[in-house]
Amino acid sequence: AQTVTQSQPEMSVQEAETVTLSCTYDTSESDYYLFWYKQPPSRQMILVIRQEAYKQQNATENRFSVNFQKAAKSFSLKISDSQLGDAAMYFCAYRSNNSGYSTLTFGKGTMLLVSP
Amino acid sequence: EAGVTQFPSHSVIEKGQTVTLRCDPISGHDNLYWYRRVMGKEIKFLLHFVKESKQDESGMPNNRFLAERTGGTYSTLKVQPAELEDSGVYFCASSQARTSKPREQYFGPGTRLTVT
Repeated sequence: AQTVTQSQPEMSVQEAETVTLSCTYDTSESDYYLFWYKQPPSRQMILVIRQEAYKQQNATENRFSVNFQKAAKSFSLKISDSQLGDAAMYFCAYRSNNSGYSTLTFGKGTMLLVSP
Repeated sequence: EAGVTQFPSHSVIEKGQTVTLRCDPISGHDNLYWYRRVMGKEIKFLLHFVKESKQDESGMPNNRFLAERTGGTYSTLKVQPAELEDSGVYFCASSQARTSKPREQYFGPGTRLTVT
């Protein structure tokens, strides 16, 4: 079974600074997706960024980028030029690509606090 | 396009009572998932519908939980009788049919269930 570990229950960053959220995972599969989801307070969870395991290039979405280290099974999220609106719970998630109907396996989440 | 909606947003019930949670997926999404997050723990998969059929219900904790998806549209999750350990946030997500890759799951805002 796959597991996802987020070792940082909470992180703090100041506006305009950069922060990195950690995520490690365990799997015996070679074909899978990794995701970072963001859940602002009292709002729904939205997808921030997605990485396909067979792609060596790290995914980027504007101020969000990942550092995907497949051999180390590490998938960290870097947020550059942090904004107040980035404050949220961030979940790292794994999904196998080996079956047609695969579910997500999540970590416990990291609460990101952003101060002015 | 309307997103995934869930009702109610919050429910407080006493141990032994019954509660029914509802999820309306994005129109046209065949896949519907239920997840649950108990405070401080990972978001855990409960079950997966493809249209009106249960594709995978391996995450359902016990037979006190009953999920249905009438006509392949909205879904309900009934907990009867509720126990204290059922407290948590119940998320619903939907995604397009298998032919659409990467079949991103869109989440609802969740229903916070408190059993006292």
